[in-house]
Amino acid sequence: AQSVTQLDSHVSVSEGTPVLLRCNYSSSYSPSLFWYVQHPNKGLQLLLKYTSAATLVKGINGFEAEFKKSETSFHLTKPSAHMSDAAEYFCVVSDRRVEYGNKLVFGAGTILRVKS
Amino acid sequence: SQTIHQWPATLVQPVGSPLSLECTVEGTSNPNLYWYRQAAGRGLQLLFYSVGIGQISSEVPQNLSASRPQDRQFILSSKKLLLSDSGFYLCAWSWDRGAPQNTGELFFGEGSRLTVL
Repeated sequence: AQSVTQLDSHVSVSEGTPVLLRCNYSSSYSPSLFWYVQHPNKGLQLLLKYTSAATLVKGINGFEAEFKKSETSFHLTKPSAHMSDAAEYFCVVSDRRVEYGNKLVFGAGTILRVKS
Repeated sequence: SQTIHQWPATLVQPVGSPLSLECTVEGTSNPNLYWYRQAAGRGLQLLFYSVGIGQISSEVPQNLSASRPQDRQFILSSKKLLLSDSGFYLCAWSWDRGAPQNTGELFFGEGSRLTVL
């Protein structure tokens, strides 16, 4: 069985400072990992994904994440926060063995606040 | 390119009334389709998924049902709404498992906010 733990429910940063959103996962098999972003009353947008290629994954809007198997982590980072980054972020794991559909397991979410 | 449409965007319904939320996908065929619910403080909960017309899998017992009358249409329904059905409902699609483009992610619609009074 898979699980995802997002270590912080809320993160607050100042505009222009780095962002770090932490995620640990558990999976019995080689997982696919994703980060999604959700702005208020909107759907989820895919930021980036890891699917067993390069361990450092670059996504949209300057975000990147590094897959660390030894630490079972997939932390999301951005060098410089922008006001528009304020949103809720979800770390997600998928078991690629799943026979039917794409069964994703979502973390509880991290709300990012960006102060001016 | 592929798009997903979900409606209505917002809905206020009395307890005991019926519900119908619709979702359609364009630009692909034989997608996998999903309904999620996002309730305050409870994260995202998978309600139903479908790998083909008429094939519906339910993840949790509840007051809701889903149907897939056409390949790219997914409908979430209830005969009698409960207060606990309030929440933000998200439809999503993914590539068919055998499709070369499938790397596991889902693509979400804009969501439907349901308030049951």
